Amino acid sequence: EADIYQTPRYLVIGTGKKITLECSQTMGHDKMYWYQQDPGMELHLIHYSYGVNSTEKGDLSSESTVSRIRTEHFPLTLESARPSHTSQYLCASRGLSPYNEQFFGPGTRLTVL
Amino acid sequence: EDKVVQSPLSLVVHEGDTVTLNCSYEVTNFRSLLWYKQEKKAPTFLFMLTSSGIEKKSGRLSSILDKKELSSILNITATQTGDSAIYLCAVEGGSEKLVFGKGTKLTVNP
Repeated sequence: EADIYQTPRYLVIGTGKKITLECSQTMGHDKMYWYQQDPGMELHLIHYSYGVNSTEKGDLSSESTVSRIRTEHFPLTLESARPSHTSQYLCASRGLSPYNEQFFGPGTRLTVL
Repeated sequence: EDKVVQSPLSLVVHEGDTVTLNCSYEVTNFRSLLWYKQEKKAPTFLFMLTSSGIEKKSGRLSSILDKKELSSILNITATQTGDSAIYLCAVEGGSEKLVFGKGTKLTVNP
């Protein structure tokens, strides 16, 4: 079944730890995105990719990094987590056509103590 | 800079009421406008409106795009408590990225 997956769904971690949030989609989409969303607040685009080996920073500055080695996989890494990184992280994907809708993964809720 | 403004930001109604949510936008080279419903987790897709598809309907929900006024409305008739959510409007322009509004928080009371 075509879908978009994120793991872990919830993560509580201490300051200074390195973490990787996983995102995979089985729809063969070229475009993938990472958003950050605080509770009750708007979505902010932090990274996006239009294909393998292509990554760009989004509109909101983020200390995280991403990679796109395979079409279906778009992991996000924080080298040294801080309490200010506490948030929900949403991964999304979309086909190349402008008439394709954008699908969201279930999200990862990150808490940094 | 592309911009999406939604109104109202918050709305409280009773079950059975009809609501209209508004979305206005400023974007270079408009491609599409999308509506999403977000409950506790990730946004789920409702509608996509484009120059060739300016009106969509699904059950009690419907949406219209007004390209002249650079706006869209989302109508929900006979509201139910399960309609309580944040409704997000997003627009894609020449940048090929979706720009999201802040959302309208709808609360439907029994």
